Amino acid sequence: KQEVTQIPAALSVPEGENLVLNCSFTDSAIYNLQWFRQDPGKGLTSLLLIQSSQREQTSGRLNASLDKSSGRSTLYIAASQPGDSATYLCAVKGAGNTGTASKLTFGTGTRLQVTL
Amino acid sequence: ETGVTQSPTHLIKTRGQQVTLRCSSQSGHNTVSWYQQALGQGPQFIFQYYREEENGRGNFPPRFSGLQFPNYSSELNVNALELDDSALYLCASSLFRGGGTEAFFGQGTRLTVV
Repeated sequence: KQEVTQIPAALSVPEGENLVLNCSFTDSAIYNLQWFRQDPGKGLTSLLLIQSSQREQTSGRLNASLDKSSGRSTLYIAASQPGDSATYLCAVKGAGNTGTASKLTFGTGTRLQVTL
Repeated sequence: ETGVTQSPTHLIKTRGQQVTLRCSSQSGHNTVSWYQQALGQGPQFIFQYYREEENGRGNFPPRFSGLQFPNYSSELNVNALELDDSALYLCASSLFRGGGTEAFFGQGTRLTVV
């Protein structure tokens, strides 16, 4: 059974700081890993998708890495801004499109606050 | 904007009632999944539909059921509502092409059972 863990659960940083969010998963048989952002009471916004054959993806100030063999991913946010304050979730997709293998398994998220 | 819309955005129901939540998938996407997210938790997989057939289900009882329509819109139905069903319900659409593809989520429906 796939389990996803995110550390830390909460993080508060001053504006301008670079930061790293961590995600680990127990089963390396994945199709891909996605990082999402969730504002309070809202849906999920996809930030980055990393296929199992890839090592990293970049979008603007965000960079995500994937080490499938060790079951780890990191999300690096450069020059953080107050608008980055949200909960960040990582999710892994199992290797298949049927049964429960097709689902996304989520961590519980890291709640980020960027202060002025 | 993800192109995935859910309705309604908020809903209050009484224990024992039935509810239907709706999702309009992104154009061209053939797969829709539903997730339940309790406060402070990550979303939990309910089930997935591919080309109008359920092809994956999480650890949810049969009173959670769904439909996917030819236009790829879908419904989540919950019968005999319980207090613990209070949660944010999320719909995700994707295009399956033989591998892992990006999932796009709607804004969710907040269900409160009283």
